[in-house]
Amino acid sequence: DVKVTQSSRYLVKRTGEKVFLECVQDMDHENMFWYRQDPGLGLRLIYFSYDVKMKEKGDIPEGYSVSREKKERFSLILESASTNQTSMYLCASSSPRTSGGAHNSYEQYFGPGTRLTVT
Amino acid sequence: GQNIDQPTEMTATEGAIVQINCTYQTSGFNGLFWYQQHAGEAPTFLSYNVLDGLEEKGRFSSFLSRSKGYSYLLLKELQMKDSASYLCANTGGGNKLTFGTGTQLKVEL
Repeated sequence: DVKVTQSSRYLVKRTGEKVFLECVQDMDHENMFWYRQDPGLGLRLIYFSYDVKMKEKGDIPEGYSVSREKKERFSLILESASTNQTSMYLCASSSPRTSGGAHNSYEQYFGPGTRLTVT
Repeated sequence: GQNIDQPTEMTATEGAIVQINCTYQTSGFNGLFWYQQHAGEAPTFLSYNVLDGLEEKGRFSSFLSRSKGYSYLLLKELQMKDSASYLCANTGGGNKLTFGTGTQLKVEL
């Protein structure tokens, strides 16, 4: 069964702290993603990675960095947490799959999320 | 760009049929996903359309018109457990998905 796990369901940190959010997938997927989800704004992509040691900026990378040293693990780092980074953080992974004929899809499997509060 | 529009909220009655619409910009389009997300939980995959037409899967169906930049999710025989947020997302380029803000569906007795 497909599984994406995240290190914490709930996290409370202080402004200025360095925060690590860990994500592990057991599906041997090439692609991994970090999103944040806020009311009225939906899911927004922070960073993604399509291979070990590779990373690409998403739509809102400012204030975040990522690390992918192993295929199964993708870490999101908040170098100096701020109150506007209070949010639900969701990790996802994907790998190309066929959907009839020659078409490929990139269905993403999500972890349970980490609700981060920065005070 | 891949701007996606879907209604913010919908309400429907148990046992009824509801259609949730999604429109998107067609440039660079490569496929359309629907996800379901219950409150406090992760999104889960419902459907994927890459060709025009209707894809049926049990009580849920999804339709795509690429020329119109339009999709809908059809839920039949609504149940209380279908109360959730429904997210439309498209693959504009390669591995990434761009999500809409979601439609919060409330199923009432």
